[in-house]
Amino acid sequence: VQLRESGPGLLEPSQTLSLTCSVSGGSITSGGHFWSWLRQHPGKGLEWIGYISYSGNSYYNPSLRSRVSISRDTSKNQFSLTLTSVTAADTAVYYCAGSGAADFDYWGQGTLVAVSS
Amino acid sequence: DIQMTQSPSSLSASVGDTVTITCRASQAISSHLNWYQQKPGEAPKVLIFSASSLQTGVPSRFRGSGSGTYFTLSISGLQPEDFATYYCQQSHNTPRTFGGGTKVDIK
Repeated sequence: VQLRESGPGLLEPSQTLSLTCSVSGGSITSGGHFWSWLRQHPGKGLEWIGYISYSGNSYYNPSLRSRVSISRDTSKNQFSLTLTSVTAADTAVYYCAGSGAADFDYWGQGTLVAVSS
Repeated sequence: DIQMTQSPSSLSASVGDTVTITCRASQAISSHLNWYQQKPGEAPKVLIFSASSLQTGVPSRFRGSGSGTYFTLSISGLQPEDFATYYCQQSHNTPRTFGGGTKVDIK
C-alpha cells in the first residue's frame, strides 16, 4: 500500500488548508481499516488529527474538531483533509497514513505546509 | 485524552549497546500500544504493534513489552541504522496520542 499527499505548500493566515491523499495498492473501503491525517510541527512530536474509516465515518482530535474535516472520494481511492482558519501554529509537515496491524502501518512521504503572510 | 510519557527524551549510545526506552500511559490501555521509528526527513515506521508483536520485516533485536500503563522498547545490539527517534502511541481510544519521543544518537 502506498500513499501520497498533495496540496499547496504555502498558505496565508485565515485561509483553508486542503490536502489530498492518494492511495494505491489497497482500497480505502477495505473492511476494518481506517485512514488518518497526522502532523508534525518543526522539530516536534507527532499529532493525530483524525481519521475516516473504511465505512466513511470520521473521528477528529478534539483539539482541532471545530476546524477540521476529513472526507473521501471512493471513485478515486483518495481521502482529504480540510483545516479552516489556519494560523502560523498550523505550520507543520502533514502526513496521511493507513492502518494495518498498527494504527499507522502505511505512511505518505509527508508534505510541509507553511502558514505565513 | 490519554497522556503518553516517554523517557528518556534522549540518550547516547554506542554501536552494539542495548538500550531501553520506557513509555507510561496516564490510564490503563491493555496492550494497545505501538512503537514507531523515525529518521530525519522520513515518515515514521512501525516497529512493534500490540505492545509486543514485531512488525513484518523488523529485525528481532527490537523487542516490546508491557501492558496496562507501563511499556518498554528494547534494542539489543544497536546498529548504525538504529540511530533515530522513537515514539510510542496508544491505540486504546480516540484521540490517538503519542509519547514525546526518544532520540537515540551516537555516543
